[in-house]
Formats: sequence, C-alpha cells, structure tokens
Amino acid sequence: LAKTTQPISMDSYEGQEVNITCSHNNIATNDYITWYQQFPSQGPRFIIQGYKTKVTNEVASLFIPADRKSSTLSLPRVSLSDTAVYYCLVGEWVTGGGNKLTFGTGTQLKVEL
Amino acid sequence: GAVVSQHPSWVICKSGTSVKIECRSLDFQATTMFWYRQFPKQSLMLMATSNEGSKATYEQGVEKDKFLINHASLTLSTLTVTSAHPEDSSFYICSVRTSGSYEQYFGPGTRLTVT
Repeated sequence: LAKTTQPISMDSYEGQEVNITCSHNNIATNDYITWYQQFPSQGPRFIIQGYKTKVTNEVASLFIPADRKSSTLSLPRVSLSDTAVYYCLVGEWVTGGGNKLTFGTGTQLKVEL
Repeated sequence: GAVVSQHPSWVICKSGTSVKIECRSLDFQATTMFWYRQFPKQSLMLMATSNEGSKATYEQGVEKDKFLINHASLTLSTLTVTSAHPEDSSFYICSVRTSGSYEQYFGPGTRLTVT
C-alpha cells in the first residue's frame, strides 16, 4: 500500500485559497488518489478523487502531476467551516474485494477570520 | 454520495460486556463494508474488510474473535465488540463501497466508552 505524507497542520484566513500537498512516492499503477475531510467526532466526508491530471468538482480541485508521486488539494475560498482534518489516501481496487485505504496522519487546517 | 448510518451513535458499557454496532447503507447496495477505529487525535485505522455473504478479512493485529463482523446483507453490517475492556474505548467508523466504484462513503461513527 502506498504511504502518504502530508503537512501536519496549516493555517489560513477566510476567503483565501488553500493548497494542501500530499506525497505518495510509491503509488502503484492501479491506485487512485482520494481526499477526505473530517470534523471532530464525525466520519470522514468524501471531497474529491482522481487518477491523473486535474479533477474539479463543486468544492475543490485536485491536481496530479504526470508522475503521480504527489497530489495537491485546492480549496478555492475557505471559510471558518472548512476548519477540519484533511486526509489524502491512495487505494488499490481489488477485484471482488475491498478497496483498502490507508489513512495517514492528515492535515489539520485551521481557518481564521 | 451514499448515505450511511450507524447505530448507536454513542454507547457506554461495563467492562466484560459485549456491544453491537450497526452500519447501514441507506440508498445503495454496499458490496463491501469496512470498519475503522480512531483513537483521540489519531488517524483512522482499518480493522477489517467485509464482503456481503463472506467472512471478514481482518487487518494484522486485530483479533477476529474479539471484533466479530457480520455482513449479512447488502445494506447492513454489524461489529460486535466482545468482552469489552477500557482499552477498547474508541470511535468506530464504518464505510461502504459498491461494486465497481473506488469511492468509499463513511458513516457518522459510534463512540464506545467502556468503564
């Protein structure tokens, strides 16, 4: 399983763009990259997923370079409610079985006024 | 995304008793369900993977006789913590995945406190 490395914490202000980069040097060919958000005492919430290049949805963008050894989650204009822990995961889809995800330490994002 | 529920949301039990936690997929068929455990200020740790109608696959270091998992249908999986001890106090979270999808959807979690 590919291991991920993220900054432990980041601080930002409301209205700013936040970019959280994750390293996954040993990512395998079949691995997808997924980002989750977790608030205290809640289950993680799916944010975005990608395999290569750029993916964008209504809440975030995910940038993945050609070598796929890293990825960057971009939150366009953060608000106080975006204060949470963000996890970058890579996981292999096993046919007929589980898509095993290994959670790293995550990045604690703190957004202030 | 999928809606996943867990019951109960929190439970307090005495040491030596057993506790059952339910995980339900409310709006799609979950061919695979996962159980995680999270201690305070730590990351989620995968405990086991279960496929509907099959025995669960446990991660290394997780006692299968202590954490009984049943995935009897495509919408329900249960985790039973048998003979619970204070060190089993944790936040237990399930997630679901449907066949052919890479996405996992997580339940809201169950806070277990063993006294």
